[in-house]
Amino acid sequence: DADVTQTPRNRITKTGKRIMLECSQTKGHDRMYWYRQDPGLGLQLIYYSFDVKDINKGEISDGYSVSRQAQAKFSLSLESAIPNQTALYFCATSDDRVGTGELFFGEGSRLTVL
Amino acid sequence: TQLLEQSPQFLSIQEGENLTVYCNSSSVFSSLQWYRQEPGEGPVLLVTVVTGGEVKKLKRLTFQFGDARKDSSLHITAAQTGDTGLYLCAGVPGSNYKLTFGKGTLLTVNP
Repeated sequence: DADVTQTPRNRITKTGKRIMLECSQTKGHDRMYWYRQDPGLGLQLIYYSFDVKDINKGEISDGYSVSRQAQAKFSLSLESAIPNQTALYFCATSDDRVGTGELFFGEGSRLTVL
Repeated sequence: TQLLEQSPQFLSIQEGENLTVYCNSSSVFSSLQWYRQEPGEGPVLLVTVVTGGEVKKLKRLTFQFGDARKDSSLHITAAQTGDTGLYLCAGVPGSNYKLTFGKGTLLTVNP
């Protein structure tokens, strides 16, 4: 089983719908992240959380919200999806005891907004 | 402005050839990582370099961190089709914790 699990892996939705992407991890890491990947743009940080009570905006948080339900769970919501939110979304974790910020990624959730 | 510039953006070579890809910045990084991402998968960490001038080897892959900790290179010897993927560098700039990614080099190794 994967250490970082994302659901759903693929989702097609319509403009205006609310979408939630879920992430759970078994690595025991405190830090969790949501990234968006678009072709030619690399990985852009949406939100990150250093523990259950700590949520921070990343580079591109507009149009997104997150919830850290437990140390192991971090979900990303699109309240009203729009077509330019079509992208590949990745959840990642890191161990705050290691100062180099190494990330462990899930397998990704491909979202298409029509 | 992209903090980490990767070059080339695309590279297509034949199996058995050698190649080098680069990750450059005008900023100093406290550490730098290289990830490989295969189609349909998340990026997987290959190596972390933390000391200026550091060289690390992972089988046929050689990673180097610049003396000034502003750049890094990845050299692959005798590339194989299994090396195909997107190679991403990522760094922690100075004392700022947040990891910053380059846009990646998409490598295709043809049989």
